[in-house]
Amino acid sequence: EVQLLESGGGLVQPGGSLRLSCADSGFTFSTYAISWVRQAPGRGLEWVSLISGNGASTNYADSVKGRFTISRDNSKSTLYLQMSSLRAEDTAVYYCAKGAPAGYYAMDVWGQGTTVTVSS
Amino acid sequence: QSVLTQPPSVSGAPGQRVTISCTGSSSNIGAGYDVHWYQHLPGTAPKLLIYSNINRPSGVPDRFSGSKSGTSASLTITGLQAEDEADYYCQSYDSSLRGLFGGGTKLTVL
Repeated sequence: EVQLLESGGGLVQPGGSLRLSCADSGFTFSTYAISWVRQAPGRGLEWVSLISGNGASTNYADSVKGRFTISRDNSKSTLYLQMSSLRAEDTAVYYCAKGAPAGYYAMDVWGQGTTVTVSS
Repeated sequence: QSVLTQPPSVSGAPGQRVTISCTGSSSNIGAGYDVHWYQHLPGTAPKLLIYSNINRPSGVPDRFSGSKSGTSASLTITGLQAEDEADYYCQSYDSSLRGLFGGGTKLTVL
């Protein structure tokens, strides 16, 4: 069974940095693109970033571009999100989600999420 | 403000049919880009319901169906059940390959 497990969330001060991880089990990690999606308290889902299967291509939402960096280590079946210059509005549950085999940008397997709180 | 517009809420009685709309523009849905739909229960991981406008992943009941026309898409749920009460999101992308979600629609089963 395919499973994704996020980690690395926590409390960080405004302006600080944090690195999230997403570990895969159960499928050929390098085969699929993977995205980060977040949900702020009381808000809807927001797409954050996507990385291609081989890591050569990345895309970002305007709200995080220049502050967040997505990367992956296929040898470790792990996805990362390096977050810097964090703001209060980055407070959210962050999900990693695997790209579906069909449907561009569709996501068919999601982790349970890790919570990031940006506060002084 | 989400680029894709959904009604904040819809409701229906058990057994009824409800439709959730998702309105975009010529920069996303209207450009021919795929629309996907997700079901999200609080505290759980979102679930893919419909991909590429009309297709259901394995295991999704055929009570759920999707359609797309012009700059809009719709999710229809027939034979409404209590377990369908959840938040529903449409998703697409734009020409810069930025992912886009609708604002979400809360479905209440009366």
